[in-house]
Amino acid sequence: KAGVTQTPRYLIKTRGQQVTLSCSPISGHRSVSWYQQTPGQGLQFLFEYFSETQRNKGNFPGRFSGRQFSNSRSEMNVSTLELGDSALYLCASSFGAGMGTEAFFGQGTRLTVV
Amino acid sequence: SQQGEEDPQALSIQEGENATMNCSYKTSINNLQWYRQNSGRGLVHLILIRSNEREKHSGRLRVTLDTSKKSSSLLITASRAADTASYFCATEYDSNYQLIWGAGTKLIIKP
Repeated sequence: KAGVTQTPRYLIKTRGQQVTLSCSPISGHRSVSWYQQTPGQGLQFLFEYFSETQRNKGNFPGRFSGRQFSNSRSEMNVSTLELGDSALYLCASSFGAGMGTEAFFGQGTRLTVV
Repeated sequence: SQQGEEDPQALSIQEGENATMNCSYKTSINNLQWYRQNSGRGLVHLILIRSNEREKHSGRLRVTLDTSKKSSSLLITASRAADTASYFCATEYDSNYQLIWGAGTKLIIKP
């Protein structure tokens, strides 16, 4: 069974640009979550989707948005990039509709904003 | 922030020794999970313990949960070089479908 796939793995963008990151969950998983990981703030929750519905959103500005498609694939978008958006963005998928299920993480997308 | 805290921040031990990491959190939880992260494999789920459980085992891993103290510990027995990684605890609260993460413990196993 293929794992969680995130593309691209590495990205360099300029301040003010926008970026779209993609996540393909494990087949059969309907929940997809996104996290931002930085040395200073650690792992921070961005949002979670289940069956194309956003069920929860973290404490990030509106420049961060996401969506989930009918095949459970998910994208997150960051507009008007700032230097502080440089981070490892991790996507996780899980099977269950509720909490308490194991999350499987992708390798992440390393975003560098210059 | 509801982020948990882990200690120690870093731990260096000899191969074969046991490693213990601790995690504290702030509010009542539904469950607590431990993950491992290294550069080769990203974040990998190790073990989940529910709020009504006190101890769980998985191979060389032993996790305890003390809800009265709002803390958990991860014990790795007979450590191996391959255990070198950062270890994170993550908690799930009521019905909000998100994991709140600790800052992590960096574990180094010396050969």
